[in-house]
Amino acid sequence: AQTVTQSQPEMSVQEAETVTLSCTYDTSENNYYLFWYKQPPSRQMILVIRQEAYKQQNATENRFSVNFQKAAKSFSLKISDSQLGDTAMYFCAFMKPRSGNTPLVFGKGTRLSVIA
Amino acid sequence: DAGVTQSPTHLIKTRGQHVTLRCSPISGHKSVSWYQQVLGQGPQFIFQYYEKEERGRGNFPDRFSARQFPNYSSELNVNALLLGDSALYLCASSFGVMVLGYMNTEAFFGQGTRLTVV
Repeated sequence: AQTVTQSQPEMSVQEAETVTLSCTYDTSENNYYLFWYKQPPSRQMILVIRQEAYKQQNATENRFSVNFQKAAKSFSLKISDSQLGDTAMYFCAFMKPRSGNTPLVFGKGTRLSVIA
Repeated sequence: DAGVTQSPTHLIKTRGQHVTLRCSPISGHKSVSWYQQVLGQGPQFIFQYYEKEERGRGNFPDRFSARQFPNYSSELNVNALLLGDSALYLCASSFGVMVLGYMNTEAFFGQGTRLTVV
């Protein structure tokens, strides 16, 4: 079974600064997907960024980028130029793809507060 | 385009009662998954349906059941409610198919149903 661990329950960052959220996972699979989801107080889970395990290049989406270390089973999220709207719970998630998809396995989350 | 819609948004039930939660996926999505999110935790997988068939089940008791209808909407049923069933129940939909050899993996979530059992 796959497990996802987020070791930072809470973090804070000053507006416009950079912050890195950590995530490690355990799997025996070689082909899989990793995700970072954001859950603001509105409760809706929003996909921030996705990484395919077969790709060596780290994914980037505007101010969000990841550091994917497959051998170390590490998948951290870097948020640059933090904005007040980035305040939310952030969840790291794992998925093993097959037709019809498979369930996401989530970590326990990191609560990020962006301070003005 | 409408996103994933869930109803109701909030619900209060008494221990021992039964509850039905509903989810309408994004148009064209054939895969629906249900997750339970207890306060302060990450979502836990309950069920996945694809093309109206159950494709996966998480570690939940038989009091939990679900189904998917021909229009791909889904219901989650919980019988004999316990206090510990109080949680946010999330529904997620996706295409769930291989397209030109590429797995469309993005799951879109609804805003959830907040269930409180008293």
